[in-house]
Amino acid sequence: AQRVTQPEKLLSVFKGAPVELKCNYSYSGSPELFWYVQYSRQRLQLLLRHISRESIKGFTADLNKGETSFHLKKPFAQEEDSAMYYCASAGGTSYGKLTFGQGTILTVHP
Amino acid sequence: KAGVTQTPRYLIKTRGQQVTLSCSPISGHRSVSWYQQTPGQGLQFLFEYFSETQRNKGNFPGRFSGRQFSNSRSEMNVSTLELGDSALYLCASNGGGGGANVLTFGAGSRLTVL
Repeated sequence: AQRVTQPEKLLSVFKGAPVELKCNYSYSGSPELFWYVQYSRQRLQLLLRHISRESIKGFTADLNKGETSFHLKKPFAQEEDSAMYYCASAGGTSYGKLTFGQGTILTVHP
Repeated sequence: KAGVTQTPRYLIKTRGQQVTLSCSPISGHRSVSWYQQTPGQGLQFLFEYFSETQRNKGNFPGRFSGRQFSNSRSEMNVSTLELGDSALYLCASNGGGGGANVLTFGAGSRLTVL
């Protein structure tokens, strides 16, 4: 079975500091990895996925198959980045079935 | 474009009752997934429907069921409610163009079982 681990429940940084949210996955095949974000009083929404290899809102994430990790990084955190971040994986013919981590609450202090 | 709409947003039931939750996907989206979100278990996949067919199912008891209509609207039903069914139930739709697992979520239906 797939498993996604986000070791930090809470992460606090100051504005302008770098931030890294950790995510490790377990899957024997080639998974599809995602980061979803939920801002206060908003819906859960897709932030980025590894296939796209793009930067969204200054965030990037690199899939490291050797370490089975998909850490989310941003060089300079902003207060508006404060949110709950979920790492998720999908494999094979998953058809909308994502396995989510427990989430990390990021707080960016002014 | 209207987003994913879930109704009702809040509801309170008692143990033993049943509940039906509704989800209208984004227009043109034919895939609808359901998730249960609780503080203890996090987000857990319930099932996914595409063109009225269930293509995938999570590890939930048979009390949890769903269906999809020809207009892609979906409903999920929980029978014989238990206290542990109290949760936020999220629906998500997918249009297929961006990939089968790129989901757009609704605001959720918060179920409280007393």
